[in-house]
Amino acid sequence: AQSVTQPDIHITVSEGASLELRCNYSYGATPYLFWYVQSPGQGLQLLLKYFSGDTLVQGIKGFEAEFKRSQSSFNLRKPSVHWSDAAEYFCAVGIYGGSQGNLIFGKGTKLSVKP
Amino acid sequence: DTAVSQTPKYLVTQMGNDKSIKCEQNLGHDTMYWYKQDSKKFLKIMFSYNNKELIINETVPNRFSPKSPDKAHLNLHINSLELGDSAVYFCASSQETAVGGYTFGSGTRLTVV
Repeated sequence: AQSVTQPDIHITVSEGASLELRCNYSYGATPYLFWYVQSPGQGLQLLLKYFSGDTLVQGIKGFEAEFKRSQSSFNLRKPSVHWSDAAEYFCAVGIYGGSQGNLIFGKGTKLSVKP
Repeated sequence: DTAVSQTPKYLVTQMGNDKSIKCEQNLGHDTMYWYKQDSKKFLKIMFSYNNKELIINETVPNRFSPKSPDKAHLNLHINSLELGDSAVYFCASSQETAVGGYTFGSGTRLTVV
């Protein structure tokens, strides 16, 4: 069965430090992978997505993610975290069959930023 | 212009009541979804509609009934509300294949007392 695992429930980093949020997926075919961010009381905003091609994808707000097929991973990175990055981050895998599409989400990683 | 809008943003109601949540998208997308986010922030799909046709109907109580009058609207009606229905409900939309990802609404926080 398809699944997404985000091993870290909560991460705290200092402002200006680098960040890596981990995501592992389980899916039999070539995955479509996404990272979303949810600020408190808000909906989910798409940060970046991977379909094919270059395994390093750039997103909004200075985020990037790298797809590693051999490790079934799609980790999110940012070189220097800002206080406004504090939020919940969700990794998702897209499941597609015919006209049916569905996103399977991980359980999220909460990011706290220390001043 | 809000791409995917949900109303109301907050909903507090008593057990046993019937309530509806409305969702509208102005993106021209073909597919709309309802997701439930529980208290632990876990997101799970409930329903998916493609051009007004039900595509995905996950295992949710039949007290939950989606209604899609046209492809720009997907409403969620809930009968006989229970305490366990308290959650944040998100509407989303996508192009038919969803390969571009979803656009989410800002959510409706439902509290059943």
